Amino acid sequence: QVHLVESGGGVVQPGRSLRLSCAASGFTFSTYAIHWVRQAPGTGLEWVAAISYDGNTKHYADFVSGRFTVSRDNSKNTVYLQMNNLRAEDAAVYYCARGNSGIYSQFDYWGQGTQVTVSS
Amino acid sequence: DTVMTQSPDSLAVSLGDRATINCKSSQSVLYSSNNKNYLAWYQHKPGQPPRLLISWASTRESGVPDRFSGSGSGTDFTLTISSLQTEDVAVYYCQQYYSSPPGTFGQGTKVEIK
Repeated sequence: QVHLVESGGGVVQPGRSLRLSCAASGFTFSTYAIHWVRQAPGTGLEWVAAISYDGNTKHYADFVSGRFTVSRDNSKNTVYLQMNNLRAEDAAVYYCARGNSGIYSQFDYWGQGTQVTVSS
Repeated sequence: DTVMTQSPDSLAVSLGDRATINCKSSQSVLYSSNNKNYLAWYQHKPGQPPRLLISWASTRESGVPDRFSGSGSGTDFTLTISSLQTEDVAVYYCQQYYSSPPGTFGQGTKVEIK
């Protein structure tokens, strides 16, 4: 059974950093792309970043502006999202999701999400 | 970047009636080499992760009730709920996965019971 579990969320001051993790199980992790999607309060789903199965290809939303870095450790079945210089508008529930067949594919499994709050 | 625009932003439908949600992409998401539309629909309920309902514009995922159907091609797509049930109350999103950035969502359509 496919499982994705996010962790690492919490309350952080503006300008500080946070690293989110997405731990996967139930499938051959090293053959799937993983995406990060967020939902800020009262808004819709917003795609954040993606990493290919081997970590060699990465994509980011424009609003990341070089502040976020996605990486993965296939030996640990985990994807990371390093978020630096956090802003108030980055506050959201962050989900990781599996790309069904490569980076350019539908998201067939999602984690439950982890809450990020940016506040002084 | 491809922009996805849904209409309406919200709709209220009586139980058992049809609900129709439209999605328009700013660029075609039809890949001519395989004749597939790189368009998905998701259902999102509060406190839960989004659920993939439909891929390739019209292919229902396993376990999705057949009252959900998708149609359209190129730049114009539709999600139809043929007979609205209580458990269908949610926000629905279309998403393109054809071009970079690889996951652009529409703004969402909130479906409620009238």
